[in-house]
Amino acid sequence: ELKVEQNPLFLSMQEGKNYTIYCNYSTTSDRLYWYRQDPGKSLESLFVLLSNGAVKQEGRLMASLDTKARLSTLHITAAVHDLSATYFCAVDISQGNLIFGKGTKLSVKP
Amino acid sequence: EAQVTQNPRYLITVTGKKLTVTCSQNMNHEYMSWYRQDPGLGLRQIYYSMNVEVTDKGDVPEGYKVSRKEKRNFPLILESPSPNQTSLYFCASSSWSDYGYTFGSGTRLTVV
Repeated sequence: ELKVEQNPLFLSMQEGKNYTIYCNYSTTSDRLYWYRQDPGKSLESLFVLLSNGAVKQEGRLMASLDTKARLSTLHITAAVHDLSATYFCAVDISQGNLIFGKGTKLSVKP
Repeated sequence: EAQVTQNPRYLITVTGKKLTVTCSQNMNHEYMSWYRQDPGLGLRQIYYSMNVEVTDKGDVPEGYKVSRKEKRNFPLILESPSPNQTSLYFCASSSWSDYGYTFGSGTRLTVV
């Protein structure tokens, strides 16, 4: 059975601090996605990681993918309140079969 | 504008009354899928479709039906809704060459 495990599930950070969210998955895949969701809203695509060693950065967020270790990370640099949201990783198995982790609820406090 | 359109956005219904949530995409995507989102459980896949007339079960298909008669549409059918199907539902579409999934705005369903 495919598992996609995120940790931590809850993260309370102070503004200005750094932290990393981890996403482990249990099957072979070379496509991994990170999404952001604000309360009551749909999912916003953050990153698409397509190959081993892929690294992408947007603002204070950086995502990486290690397909050999079946691990992706989402690193937050110098957090600000606007980053408060729930972050999901999702693994693309094949042909529309996208499996999500449980999400990490991030709260950034002043 | 490229989009996935779900209707309705909100629905309150009674136990046992059949309902359909529609999903339509205008990007000529082959792949479409349905998810339900519940607190603490993330998004769980209900059904997905690889193309017209080709569908497969996801992790939580019980109590749901789907059909894919046209490429653009992928309706979710609840033949006899029960309170445990109260949830937030999302439809998504993609194409293998597209490197990404587009999600609808969601349908909040309450079954009383």
